[in-house]
Amino acid sequence: SQQGEEDPQALSIQEGENATMNCSYKTSINNLQWYRQNSGRGLVHLILIRSNEREKHSGRLRVTLDTSKKSSSLLITASRAADTASYFCATDGTNSGYSTLTFGKGTMLLVSP
Amino acid sequence: GAVVSQHPSRVICKSGTSVKIECRSLDFQATTMFWYRQFPKQSLMLMATSNEGSKATYEQGVEKDKFLINHASLTLSTLTVTSAHPEDSSFYICSASWGGPYQETQYFGPGTRLLVL
Repeated sequence: SQQGEEDPQALSIQEGENATMNCSYKTSINNLQWYRQNSGRGLVHLILIRSNEREKHSGRLRVTLDTSKKSSSLLITASRAADTASYFCATDGTNSGYSTLTFGKGTMLLVSP
Repeated sequence: GAVVSQHPSRVICKSGTSVKIECRSLDFQATTMFWYRQFPKQSLMLMATSNEGSKATYEQGVEKDKFLINHASLTLSTLTVTSAHPEDSSFYICSASWGGPYQETQYFGPGTRLLVL
């Protein structure tokens, strides 16, 4: 069953503006990851936040995690046209020797010059 | 580092034929490989998980006799879509991790677009 649910489904902004995407999930997790996918391409890992972390930064990316609300947000600051892509959250909830990711439906971000 | 390749990048086949997709980890040994399917404008759905040298574990609803997975070496896993039908047309993506005590990160291939006529 689908674990993560992102909103909005689509987001259109101007270059320089900030973009915020949200992800909600249903079961307990070990970590939550955000990925980016350009049209028709594979996924690029952006950032991982563990269940005991609340906020994490990487360059222009800021991720928050609220395990009590079972939600996460991805903020892209000072967006660029090159940030145009689909963004997915993925939850990792297994305790076995390898991660098993469950992906959300994604947010399509369009950044206009 | 941690590059994963897939071949072919796209394939068109006739209904009833079988198609093999390769997934290779180029610069690391992938103890575990994952196969996902993505329909247009939808999310990735995990199909199966394979560990080198053992049988793949399939997700519920995925036919193991239709989607044959082989992970014969630490750098190569193959997905064979047998007797493909138009409804099998999709974007197939593999990912790989190198295991260890608890490997959290999967490295994704560029995907293979399959069109069954």
